[in-house]
Amino acid sequence: DIQMTQSPSTLSVSVGDRVTITCRASQSISNWLAWYQQKPGKAPKLLMHEASSLESGVPSRFSGSGSGTEFTLTISSLQPDDFATYYCQQYNSLWTFGQGTKVEIK
Amino acid sequence: QVQLVESGGGVVQPGGSLRLSCAASGFTFNNCGMNWVRQAPGKGLEWVAFIGYDGNKIYYADSVKGRVTISRDNSKNTMYLQMSSLRAEDTAMYYCAKDVRRDGNRYFDYWGQGTLVTISS
Repeated sequence: DIQMTQSPSTLSVSVGDRVTITCRASQSISNWLAWYQQKPGKAPKLLMHEASSLESGVPSRFSGSGSGTEFTLTISSLQPDDFATYYCQQYNSLWTFGQGTKVEIK
Repeated sequence: QVQLVESGGGVVQPGGSLRLSCAASGFTFNNCGMNWVRQAPGKGLEWVAFIGYDGNKIYYADSVKGRVTISRDNSKNTMYLQMSSLRAEDTAMYYCAKDVRRDGNRYFDYWGQGTLVTISS
């Protein structure tokens, strides 16, 4: 089974900050990685697939990079609507999620 | 627009059974793989089960294998999850998720709002 490890678990940040979340796979997954955003009491929302392909309607301040085992989600300038929990997901072999990164107000 | 509506959750005693449903609309249901994903209270996301567009391809997470059965009725645009021998650790919000396929790999582009399953005596 492929394990996904996200870091950090929590980020305390301010509006306007640059945010970087890292996701590591226990084995190579090429670029078969998706990122989701989840707000309290809501379903996850797909942000991007194939590590860096932004979904339609997702603001361009979100970007993704990486391949193999190391991936990054970056928010260039955090906005109030971005406070949420973010999950990576590998879909190279079945599906596994990272444990999540909560982005909270400092 | 794509809509996924889960139902069937509730409070069940340990060892009991439950059947969850996911009613789909707004897309060609019989062309898409479908999934169940769960989230225990205050915890992260865990993929549970997948069913291919025609029901012929099915996968389960090890944590539920042998205790759940995923199925679909394409004539009703509905997917199901039959759960049995339920345990306290099955307590979670259960989401259905539609997948999209790219080069043979699938990720989840739409999710329902979830149905809550609570296992408690």
